[in-house]
Amino acid sequence: GQNIDQPTEMTATEGAIVQINCTYQTSGFNGLFWYQQHAGEAPTFLSYNVLDGLEEKGRFSSFLSRSKGYSYLLLKELQMKDSASYLCAVRDPVTGGGNKLTFGTGTQLKVEL
Amino acid sequence: DTGVSQDPRHKITKRGQNVTFRCDPISEHNRLYWYRQTLGQGPEFLTYFQNEAQLEKSRLLSDRFSAERPKGSFSTLEIQRTEQGDSAMYLCASSLGPSGTDTQYFGPGTRLTVL
Repeated sequence: GQNIDQPTEMTATEGAIVQINCTYQTSGFNGLFWYQQHAGEAPTFLSYNVLDGLEEKGRFSSFLSRSKGYSYLLLKELQMKDSASYLCAVRDPVTGGGNKLTFGTGTQLKVEL
Repeated sequence: DTGVSQDPRHKITKRGQNVTFRCDPISEHNRLYWYRQTLGQGPEFLTYFQNEAQLEKSRLLSDRFSAERPKGSFSTLEIQRTEQGDSAMYLCASSLGPSGTDTQYFGPGTRLTVL
């Protein structure tokens, strides 16, 4: 099975940088995803890591260390619209070649003025 | 390019009634997934289709739940004899596998309330 931990809540200031951590213990691993979810809306894909290291996409970066079972999402130049839940998800294979995602409970980020 | 769509967006039903939800994936995506999300939790995997074949089902999917994808395009999720514990957001996702990152893209969800 999978066990994924991330902080429940974080607060940061507009224009600042915030790092959201995720640790996982898994029986299978085929990549780690970060999704953003605004209240009442669908999760939106942000980033994907399958190899160790940093992936950068604009204001968002994600880091993975497979040996440590650790990832983080870095958000730069925070904007009010970044207030949302950030979900860490580990992917592992299922029958027939597909994959399923196991999600953490999400980190609710509040961006303040 | 349209994303994943789901219908209805909201459903209120009485305990014991049957409900059916529909998901239309991104048109070229061959893989389709159903997840359930309750308040304050991340989505939980329910089932997976590759084209029309249902290849994986979670133990969360009791015998009251059935899912189909008859022509390998849209999918339906039916819940029979609904219970209050079934109240949740039901999310559908699709992906283009096995090439690339096989990223799953989610629809807006169907929020089910069982009274």
